[in-house]
Amino acid sequence: QVQLQESGPGLVKPSGTLSLTCAVSGGSISSSNWWSWVRQPPGKGLEWIGEIYHSGSTNYNPSLKSRVTISVDKSKNQLSLNLTSVTAADTAVYYCARGDRFPINPTFDYWGQGTLVTVSS
Amino acid sequence: QSALTQPASVSGSLGQSITISCTGTSSDVGVYNYVSWYQQHPGKAPKLMIYDIRSRPSGVSNRFSGSKSGSTASLTISGLQAEDEADYYCASYTTTTTVFGGGTKLTVL
Repeated sequence: QVQLQESGPGLVKPSGTLSLTCAVSGGSISSSNWWSWVRQPPGKGLEWIGEIYHSGSTNYNPSLKSRVTISVDKSKNQLSLNLTSVTAADTAVYYCARGDRFPINPTFDYWGQGTLVTVSS
Repeated sequence: QSALTQPASVSGSLGQSITISCTGTSSDVGVYNYVSWYQQHPGKAPKLMIYDIRSRPSGVSNRFSGSKSGSTASLTISGLQAEDEADYYCASYTTTTTVFGGGTKLTVL
């Protein structure tokens, strides 16, 4: 059973950088799957941030592309998210999720529990 | 890329059937058969219920079914049960991003 666990600071200052890690257990991040980050502002809907393959190939939501970097550490079986120049609008629960074998496919079969990140001074 | 359009809320009685619509465009739902549906209970992570328009993951009840007509995908839940009360989100492939719907709150009466 694949399990994902997000971790990182719960509070980030405006204009700062949001950094999160997602640890994968029960499976390999080097499998034939893409790995995504999805966020959900409090009381609102889901937004796909981007994804990465174990080779390092990435795809990003065009609306966030200029501020997002997703990376993978195969030795630690984890992926990471960096979001720069954050504002209050970036306050959300951030999820990591396992995607399909094909890029940008909206099929996410395993999700982390999510971690709330608040942007505030 | 705009979000897919879902009704804000739907309701149904125990044992009845309901359908949630998800309207996109000729850039997403209308042209690709990669639409998924997620169920989300309060404070929980989304759960995959339907993928590729109408396929069900292992373990998901056959009371959940999906379909598509033109640029509108639909999720039908038959034999409504109390535990079906949740938020439901559709998601579609586009050439540049995965786009989600705004979500639909299902109330079971």
